[in-house]
Amino acid sequence: GAVVSQHPSWVICKSGTSVKIECRSLDFQATTMFWYRQFPKQSLMLMATSNEGSKATYEQGVEKDKFLINHASLTLSTLTVTSAHPEDSSFYICSAYKWGEQYFGPGTRLTVT
Amino acid sequence: AQRVTQPEKLLSVFKGAPVELKCNYSYSGSPELFWYVQYSRQRLQLLLRHISRESIKGFTADLNKGETSFHLKKPFAQEEDSAMYYCALTGGATNKLIFGTGTLLAVQP
Repeated sequence: GAVVSQHPSWVICKSGTSVKIECRSLDFQATTMFWYRQFPKQSLMLMATSNEGSKATYEQGVEKDKFLINHASLTLSTLTVTSAHPEDSSFYICSAYKWGEQYFGPGTRLTVT
Repeated sequence: AQRVTQPEKLLSVFKGAPVELKCNYSYSGSPELFWYVQYSRQRLQLLLRHISRESIKGFTADLNKGETSFHLKKPFAQEEDSAMYYCALTGGATNKLIFGTGTLLAVQP
């Protein structure tokens, strides 16, 4: 139990386009999901907290207009990278919070060319 | 400031040797401390948390509030323990995790 999926697992897009990443809790409902970014050989950096039915809470330094988060249901949160640029290339990881623990997705590799 | 420090980027040991992965934290309050592990090509998963006081896969970690440390230990390392280990903390009502930079444990045969 407590499986979190992400789609797509990897994506390549052109500079200036937008990309949507989905995070789903497959066998449980999560009122809170988190989005992280991980650069190569570096730690996970929390980007935002996604709460079902309300606006996401962004960490300091994260542009909310660039990284749009929608928590449409108790099992789905989406992260849209708008007008992507090469510096947005990274590994994006989501987690879903339940029973006092965060359950992590497998991550999405975004490459912006 | 809230911070988790893992001073070692890489720790290489031989099979059967003891392992200690260091973690120090800075937090104004009473945080909850965790160790997460990421095996090659797998997702991040919880290894243990200080409040449960469990021993998982032979690993233990004791919270030392005086030294603000939460070091991960195992008496005899196995090759399958090779992975990336992250120390993390959470506190307050937000349930946000603050991660350390991680330590890559390499267990040599």
